Amino acid sequence: QTVVTQEPSFSVSPGGTVTLTCGLSSGSVSTSYYPSWYQQTPGQAPRTLIYSTNTRSSGVPDRFSGSILGNKAALTITGAQAEDESDYYCVVYMGSGFSVVFGGGTKLTVL
Amino acid sequence: QLQLQESGPGLVKPSETLSLTCTVSGGSISSSSYYWGWIRQPPGKGLEWIGTIYYTGNTYYNPSLKSRVTISVDTSKNRFSLKLSSVTAADTAVYYCARHESWNYFFDYWGQGTLVTVSS
Repeated sequence: QTVVTQEPSFSVSPGGTVTLTCGLSSGSVSTSYYPSWYQQTPGQAPRTLIYSTNTRSSGVPDRFSGSILGNKAALTITGAQAEDESDYYCVVYMGSGFSVVFGGGTKLTVL
Repeated sequence: QLQLQESGPGLVKPSETLSLTCTVSGGSISSSSYYWGWIRQPPGKGLEWIGTIYYTGNTYYNPSLKSRVTISVDTSKNRFSLKLSSVTAADTAVYYCARHESWNYFFDYWGQGTLVTVSS
């Protein structure tokens, strides 16, 4: 089964810019994989940030953006804030009906 | 506003079957635009897709869990259910239900999650 790879951890300074990535153990992520991104804080359910590569979910601040960078999906936070300190997960669509795979998640620290 | 609520036992014995239900309110589970999914998260670990169902009963399962998973839907009660058989301690997790959008393949609404512990 394909593994979806994410950086285990990342750090950014308040006001800074950070790009988290989402790749495949075999092959490249493209828009055909409909990558989506979710934010999760401890004890809470995930919150949908980005879907279909670069579409922001309702109510998501525009400092969050999605894209394809090279062979990976990417989530960029421009002007990071303290409240952005969370775990971030990507999901890719693998076809075969409705099969999706979660990445292992990235723990983002804002300090 | 759409809401999803998981319910079921918080403690299951090893080798038994885990059963959870997700009740949907504020929208119809029979909408042609959406599927309905289960996701889990072991303590301190990442999220894992378990499976997804359409209101017609069509199901899609994670290959790694497929032999033990059954997801069903009850449109009359606007809810769907998860059964996971032969559970072990490795199945201890927070289980989430979520709405799975059909044309962009993402989860747009989530339940709050329910912790299920497998222990004797």
